[in-house]
Amino acid sequence: AQSVAQPEDQVNVAEGNPLTVKCTYSVSGNPYLFWYVQYPNRGLQFLLKYITGDNLVKGSYGFEAEFNKSQTSFHLKKPSALVSDSALYFCAVRGNTGGFKTIFGAGTRLFVKA
Amino acid sequence: DGGITQSPKYLFRKEGQNVTLSCEQNLNHDAMYWYRQDPGQGLRLIYYSQIVNDFQKGDIAEGYSVSREKKESFPLTVTSAQKNPTAFYLCASSSTGGLGNYGYTFGSGTRLTVV
Repeated sequence: AQSVAQPEDQVNVAEGNPLTVKCTYSVSGNPYLFWYVQYPNRGLQFLLKYITGDNLVKGSYGFEAEFNKSQTSFHLKKPSALVSDSALYFCAVRGNTGGFKTIFGAGTRLFVKA
Repeated sequence: DGGITQSPKYLFRKEGQNVTLSCEQNLNHDAMYWYRQDPGQGLRLIYYSQIVNDFQKGDIAEGYSVSREKKESFPLTVTSAQKNPTAFYLCASSSTGGLGNYGYTFGSGTRLTVV
């Protein structure tokens, strides 16, 4: 069965410092991996995805994520955090076999302090 | 602009009442989804549809119903059988072509409250 885990409910970082939001997954076959961001009372916005190829994926707003197959991880990163990055971040995974269901993690709330 | 429109933004339901949440997309996406979001629980899949006139139950379908009569529309009805419907409801859509490796496009959500 597919699953995705975001081990941290909350991440706190100072503005200008690098940030990492962690995600690990379990899926049959090769994974399709996604990161989304949600601002208060809004829907989720797509940030980036990994399908195949280079393990470092670049996305919107300066975010990037690193796919690590051996550790089954897909951590979200940004070299220099902004206060405006404060939001709820969701990791999602879909296997390449059997249906189109995507499983979402529980979310990690990011607080960037000025 | 292409996108997904959910309405209403806020909805209040009385005990024993059925209510319907609207979801319309003009992205020409084949697949559409309904998720429920509760604090600290992430997104839970209610129903999904990969093609017109066909849909499948997700993980928490009890007390909900859907229809997919048109490609653009995927309304969700919260019935009186749903005992705890207060939540934030999100509709999403995606393409199913090729490898199916497309992300989702989400609507802005409907916040349903029981009064």
